[in-house]
Amino acid sequence: AQSVAQPEDQVNVAEGNPLTVKCTYSVSGNPYLFWYVQYPNRGLQFLLKYITGDNLVKGSYGFEAEFNKSQTSFHLKKPSALVSDSALYFCAVRGSGNTGKLIFGQGTTLQVKP
Amino acid sequence: EAGVTQSPTHLIKTRGQQATLRCSPISGHTSVYWYQQALGLGLQFLLWYDEGEERNRGNFPPRFSGRQFPNYSSELNVNALELEDSALYLCASSWSLAGLYEQYFGPGTRLTVT
Repeated sequence: AQSVAQPEDQVNVAEGNPLTVKCTYSVSGNPYLFWYVQYPNRGLQFLLKYITGDNLVKGSYGFEAEFNKSQTSFHLKKPSALVSDSALYFCAVRGSGNTGKLIFGQGTTLQVKP
Repeated sequence: EAGVTQSPTHLIKTRGQQATLRCSPISGHTSVYWYQQALGLGLQFLLWYDEGEERNRGNFPPRFSGRQFPNYSSELNVNALELEDSALYLCASSWSLAGLYEQYFGPGTRLTVT
């Protein structure tokens, strides 16, 4: 069965410091991986995706993610955190076959303190 | 470019009633997806429509149904509402060939069943 795990419920970082939000996945076949961010009382905003190619993917708002096939991980990173980055982050993987389904992790709350 | 829109923003219903939620995709997108975000259950895939046809549904009872109109907008109907149907319902859209493209989400409809 395909699944996504975000091992940390919450990540706390100081503004200006680098941040990492962790994600591991389990899929059959090639993984199609996504990161989304959700602000309070809002829908999800797409940040970036990995389909194929370079293992380092750059996305919106200065975020990037590193795909590691051997560790089945897709960690989200940013070199310098902003207070406005504080939100709920979701990692997702496309379901096997062309099902249209995204399988989401449980989400990680990022708290950036001034 | 206008994003995915959903209406209403909030909906309050009584147990046993029916709820209708609406979604307009990004212009040019032919696929529409519905997800339920319930407290403690995370984001769960409900339905996928493409070119007017239901392509896939998640593990939800038949009282969750919907349709896609010729202009690609979509409607989600929930019959015989139960208290546990209270959740944020998110609509997303994408280009066809769903697996290759990211899904863009609307702001959601908050359904409260009393």
